[in-house]
Amino acid sequence: AQKVTQAQTEISVVEKEDVTLDCVYETRDTTYYLFWYKQPPSGELVFLIRRNSFDEQNEISGRYSWNFQKSTSSFNFTITASQVVDSAVYFCAHASGGTSYGKLTFGQGTILTVHP
Amino acid sequence: NAGVTQTPKFRVLKTGQSMTLLCAQDMNHEYMYWYRQDPGMGLRLIHYSVGEGTTAKGEVPDGYNVSRLKKQNFLLGLESAAPSQTSVYFCASRLDNYEKLFFGSGTQLSVL
Repeated sequence: AQKVTQAQTEISVVEKEDVTLDCVYETRDTTYYLFWYKQPPSGELVFLIRRNSFDEQNEISGRYSWNFQKSTSSFNFTITASQVVDSAVYFCAHASGGTSYGKLTFGQGTILTVHP
Repeated sequence: NAGVTQTPKFRVLKTGQSMTLLCAQDMNHEYMYWYRQDPGMGLRLIHYSVGEGTTAKGEVPDGYNVSRLKKQNFLLGLESAAPSQTSVYFCASRLDNYEKLFFGSGTQLSVL
């Protein structure tokens, strides 16, 4: 069975600091997908990124970047120059390939608080 | 675009009462899912459907039933609510393989 671990339960930073959210996963799949979702205080789930197991390239989108390393089974998320609007719960998730694709296994979530 | 709509948004039940949560999507998606979110546990899959008329169990199906009579609707039922079912419920859908999940805004359910 798949397992996703987000060891950091809560992180608190001051605005403009960089912050990295850790995600470690366990899987026996050869083909799989990893995701990050953001849940702001309003409660909805916002899709941030999807990465498949064959693509280990790091990704950068504005202030967000993701580091996928199969060797350490990690998919870490970094926010550069954090802002108060980044305050949210962040979830890492895993999905197997094929028909199991939509059956996400979520980590416990990391609560990020960015103070002004 | 409405996307994925969940009704109701909030509900309070007494132990033993029944209710149905409705998820409706207007994107012609084949796949639909029900998740529950509990503090410190992330989201866990309850039931899912790979098409109209089909349903399957997820990770935590006990105490819930589902139906997908119409492609656009996925209903989650609680026949006899228990306090352990107090949670936030999210519905999600996707078109086909490798597309992202679209989530509804959630239903907060309290069982007293």
